[in-house]
This record gives sequence, C-alpha cells and structure tokens, in this order.
Amino acid sequence: AQSVTQLDSQVPVFEEAPVELRCNYSSSVSVYLFWYVQYPNQGLQLLLKYLSGSTLVKGINGFEAEFNKSQTSFHLRKPSVHISDTAEYFCASLSGSARQLTFGSGTQLTVLP
Amino acid sequence: NAGVTQTPKFQVLKTGQSMTLQCAQDMNHEYMSWYRQDPGMGLRLIHYSVGAGITDQGEVPNGYNVSRSTTEDFPLRLLSAAPSQTSVYFCASRSGTVSNQPQHFGDGTRLSIL
Repeated sequence: AQSVTQLDSQVPVFEEAPVELRCNYSSSVSVYLFWYVQYPNQGLQLLLKYLSGSTLVKGINGFEAEFNKSQTSFHLRKPSVHISDTAEYFCASLSGSARQLTFGSGTQLTVLP
Repeated sequence: NAGVTQTPKFQVLKTGQSMTLQCAQDMNHEYMSWYRQDPGMGLRLIHYSVGAGITDQGEVPNGYNVSRSTTEDFPLRLLSAAPSQTSVYFCASRSGTVSNQPQHFGDGTRLSIL
C-alpha cells in the first residue's frame, strides 16, 4: 500500500522568510505526486503536481517542489512567504495501477508578522 | 464557475439519525469521491465512483452508503449516525479515467454527531 509522510505537523515562520515543507512517499515504479493547499473553511486547491519530466516543478503562488527519486521525497518550498500563505498543506501520491490518491496528514504553515 | 458544490455546509445530528450529504459537479467529470478529514489524519477515502451506476469502497466505508444515478450527483448517506462520524466531509471530482489528473474539491460539510 502507498503511504505519504509529512514530517512536520506545524511550521511557524516569519513573513518574508523561506520555508520548506517536507514530504516523503513510499517507493513505487511510477508515481505521481501532488501538493494541495487548504485555506480555513475551504476545500483543497491544487498547488502543483509532478507527473514526469523535469524534477523541479513550479506551482501557483510562487511555490515549487523537487521530486527526488533516490530519497523518495517531494518537498515544497517558497523563497519568501506572505501572511496570506498561512494554510494547511497536503502532500498526496498516486502510484502504479492505483486509482486513488493517498494523502499525508498535513502540515499547518503559520506565517508570523 | 460552480465546480463542486456541497450542501449543507454545517450540520448537527443526534446519534442514530440518518442524513444525506449532497455533492454536485458541473464539469461533466466521470470520477467522483468522498473523503473525511480528521485532525492529524489527512484525508481518507470513503467511497468513490468512476461513472454513473458504478461505485466502490475506499479506505473507510463502514457506516456510509453512496449511489451515482447521474454524472453530476454523488450523495453520501449516513444510515445511523455515530459520534465517530463527526468530521469534515469533502467531495471531489476529476475528469476521465486518467488517474493522474488533479481533483477538484468542494468546500466541505462540517458534521457533528452528538
């Protein structure tokens, strides 16, 4: 069975500082990876996805993630965060013949003034 | 653009009551699914459907029923509510049978069982 591990449940960071949210997935021959963001009282929105090709993926709102097959990681980064980035972030994977996403437990990013 | 619409947004039930959470999408997506979100556990799949007339169980199906009579609608039924079903429920849809397409989520239904 697939598994996705988000190593940090809470990440506080000051405004304009860089941030990295960590995600590791269980290894598979082929894997698709996603990051979603959830703002308070809203559903999930897609930030970015890795399907194939370049290992550096750029998403919306200045976020990017790097697929690292040897470390089975897909960490999310932003060089300078804003107050409006405060939200919960979910990493998800889809591998092989699986038809369903497997979600990590989420990381709450809190940007402090 | 409506996207995925869930109703109601909030609901309080007593143990043993039944209710239906509604989900509708206007994107002609074949694939629809229901998740529940609990603190520290991410989203867990309850049931899903790959098209009208076809449904299947996800990771945590017990206590829930679904049906898919049309492409647009995918209601989730709680037959006899239990406090363990207190959660936030999300409906999602995606296009086609290509499983790597991103899902579109509704805004959720916050359900409390007393």
